[in-house]
Amino acid sequence: GAVVSQHPSWVICKSGTSVKIECRSLDFQATTMFWYRQFPKQSLMLMATSNEGSKATYEQGVEKDKFLINHASLTLSTLTVTSAHPEDSSFYICSAPGRAINNEQFFGPGTRLTVL
Amino acid sequence: GQSLEQPSEVTAVEGAIVQINCTYQTSGFYGLSWYQQHDGGAPTFLSYNALDGLEETGRFSSFLSRSDSYGYLLLQELQMKDSASYFCAVRALNQAGTALIFGKGTTLSVSS
Repeated sequence: GAVVSQHPSWVICKSGTSVKIECRSLDFQATTMFWYRQFPKQSLMLMATSNEGSKATYEQGVEKDKFLINHASLTLSTLTVTSAHPEDSSFYICSAPGRAINNEQFFGPGTRLTVL
Repeated sequence: GQSLEQPSEVTAVEGAIVQINCTYQTSGFYGLSWYQQHDGGAPTFLSYNALDGLEETGRFSSFLSRSDSYGYLLLQELQMKDSASYFCAVRALNQAGTALIFGKGTTLSVSS
């Protein structure tokens, strides 16, 4: 199957700083990528759809000025958490859709963000 | 809006069979999928149903009834390594077109 990587796998930062998370499709091109957030023992909540070469589409309730998404190439999407606060501490996971008929979506390993 | 309901927890013993149900309400429907996630890991794809009926993949089977907005994941010959969270997910209409929307997840604990 296709491989999606994320970097970093974990990050600890101080309140008020910004953190950038990279999501790469390693062996395929992805015009669309999705960013999810997952709190402990909870579901994956879709934050936004990242589109190569255009602006991201954010889900209702997600602040686009706080969670900046850039999809600069067909293999790279970045999520920047700006002015991070402790409540932003979470597991952030990106994914890219495959092209198979089974609608499989390929997920990165996730980035655990802890804001102190 | 979208909503998916599934049980929060299920427990079973090795070798048993477990069924995890999922009911959904969505704007547009493009299939029901199941994903497995171990603690701290990424979700991995298990199965997909676009049409009514049963799909079998090894020890795992998935069923869909579109008229009932209902599906289930059946896990047979349970093994300890099957202890994980299982999410049903629907591909549904959203702001950007379609996206995979997840249920709250079912934590499966398999004991010996």
